[in-house]
Amino acid sequence: NAGVTQTPKFRILKIGQSMTLQCTQDMNHNYMYWYRQDPGMGLKLIYYSVGAGITDKGEVPNGYNVSRSTTEDFPLRLELAAPSQTSVYFCASSHGLAGGINEQFFGPGTRLTVL
Amino acid sequence: KNQVEQSPQSLIILEGKNCTLQCNYTVSPFSNLRWYKQDTGRGPVSLTIMTFSENTKSNGRYTATLDADTKQSSLHITASQLSDSASYICVVSDTGGFKTIFGAGTRLFVKA
Repeated sequence: NAGVTQTPKFRILKIGQSMTLQCTQDMNHNYMYWYRQDPGMGLKLIYYSVGAGITDKGEVPNGYNVSRSTTEDFPLRLELAAPSQTSVYFCASSHGLAGGINEQFFGPGTRLTVL
Repeated sequence: KNQVEQSPQSLIILEGKNCTLQCNYTVSPFSNLRWYKQDTGRGPVSLTIMTFSENTKSNGRYTATLDADTKQSSLHITASQLSDSASYICVVSDTGGFKTIFGAGTRLFVKA
């Protein structure tokens, strides 16, 4: 049981490039989330999904896109990378809604630098 | 505005000593409060979850308290170990479940 896995661990992008951050969970959780963590700030929700085929915007969705074709996978797409997207990205999953008492399980994170 | 404020920003203690981290919030209506431990370069890991009716919860050497009236929580670490060096994050959710606010965390350094 690997939990939540993310790839890559590190990435450097040039302004305007695109990339996909991969996230996979093997706990059969319906709910999945993408957060970004900036220095000195709390995690901010980018997008979330309540099940395969269903996604919705979080607090900071601009510049990102997601898809959820399977229960296991929840990739995050950056189309035109900007320096403001330099951050650490965390994927998480939970059995039920994270705002309730359901525990969220986080991946190890992807550290992205846009130059 | 819904906010979660944690103090101190950072803390250095000697191994074996106790410490208490603070969390004040304004999230309303309140549903639950969670404390996470985040090791450097890793994702957060849940320590405790408390609902409105709970005022204390323990997980080994970690004890969280909640005062829903004053909207304050604390995380007490007993007999600290070097492995306790990490960031501790307070997270508060509203009753709808979709509004979850993460605090900026307290960075704890435990020295030998």
